[in-house]
Amino acid sequence: QVQLQESGPGLVRASETLSLTCTVSGGSFTGYYWSWVRQPPGEGLEYIGYIYYSGSTNYNPSLKSRVTVSLDTSKNQFSLKLISVTAADTAVYYCARVNFGGSGYARRFDSWGQGSLVTVSS
Amino acid sequence: SYVLTQPPSVSVAPGQTARITCGGNNIGSKSVHWYQEKPGQAPVLVVYDNSDRPSGIPERFSGSNSGNTATLTISRVEAGDEADYYCQVWDSRTDHYVFGTGTKVTVL
Repeated sequence: QVQLQESGPGLVRASETLSLTCTVSGGSFTGYYWSWVRQPPGEGLEYIGYIYYSGSTNYNPSLKSRVTVSLDTSKNQFSLKLISVTAADTAVYYCARVNFGGSGYARRFDSWGQGSLVTVSS
Repeated sequence: SYVLTQPPSVSVAPGQTARITCGGNNIGSKSVHWYQEKPGQAPVLVVYDNSDRPSGIPERFSGSNSGNTATLTISRVEAGDEADYYCQVWDSRTDHYVFGTGTKVTVL
């Protein structure tokens, strides 16, 4: 069974860059999208973006200008970079695997990391 | 962008049935998935593709989807079902993933 684990600094200064890494074990990178989702304290879930094993990416339009997701298959890792952070970026950040489903239309997040709280300080 | 609307809260007595709705424009044409999130834990997929259950999820969890509303039904509710529940769809037009606003289920 695939397992995902986030790692990275828990505190980032405002205007700097948030960087997180997700390590994947027990599964293959091929055939899935590898994504990031965040949840501000007391709020709902927000999709950030994904990367396919081919390297293609997709980002939430509200974050697109500040987000980069990259992949290192040799290390079984994918990463998130979010530049120019503000207090509004304080959240628990989850990495998650997207399962396409047989038809390709039933795309859901079927495995999640435990989450990493990142606080943006002023 | 596509919007999914859920009631903020649902309360249910143990042993009864909880129904959580997820409203969206013509959501019946989309594949809807549901997640359970308990405090301090990662979300867990409990229903996918409108009505299928991942392995290990009790049969008490079921889903339906038609018209402008999808519904997650929890039968014979237990104290351990108390959690936040989110619906989610993939918007094929934009290739974006949309979550509902979330519903807090309280077991009385």
